[in-house]
Amino acid sequence: NAGVTQTPKFQVLKTGQSMTLQCAQDMNHEYMSWYRQDPGMGLRLIHYSVGAGITDQGEVPNGYNVSRSTTEDFPLRLLSAAPSQTSVYFCASTTGGYGYTFGSGTRLTVV
Amino acid sequence: EDKVVQSPLSLVVHEGDTVTLNCSYEVTNFRSLLWYKQEKKAPTFLFMLTSSGIEKKSGRLSSILDKKELFSILNITATQTGDSAIYLCAATHTGTASKLTFGTGTRLQVTL
Repeated sequence: NAGVTQTPKFQVLKTGQSMTLQCAQDMNHEYMSWYRQDPGMGLRLIHYSVGAGITDQGEVPNGYNVSRSTTEDFPLRLLSAAPSQTSVYFCASTTGGYGYTFGSGTRLTVV
Repeated sequence: EDKVVQSPLSLVVHEGDTVTLNCSYEVTNFRSLLWYKQEKKAPTFLFMLTSSGIEKKSGRLSSILDKKELFSILNITATQTGDSAIYLCAATHTGTASKLTFGTGTRLQVTL
């Protein structure tokens, strides 16, 4: 049972490049979400999903897109990377408010 | 705007000391309060608190929630160097299970 798997673990992008951070869970959780963690800021919600085909914006959605075509996968897309998006990104899933499971994170640097 | 505030922001103690970490919240549709420990990677779950006044314990760690005064505390007794970490609290919301509102965290360093 792998839990929540995030790839890649590290990434360096040039300003303006695009990329997709992958998140997959094998626990059949309905609810998934993406957070970014910056020094002194805690974790902030980017986008979340309450099931396949349903997504919504969180606190800091600008510059990011998501989709949820399957229960298992919830990729996060950066369309045109900016230095302000340098951060550590965490994906999380839950059955419905009890027991959130986090992935191991993706450390992204935009130069 | 939903807000979760933790204090202190950082703390240095000696091994064996007892520490109390604070978490206050102002959140619409509050459901529960979660505590996490974060070392180098992903946050790991410590406690979920949904009812006021009921202490939850796990070894040297304990936590309690006050829903009238809108705060929670996390106590660690007889601290060890392995307790050094960032401690995060987060509020969950009714009707939106995917959403957690986090505080900024308390960085705890336990020295010998």
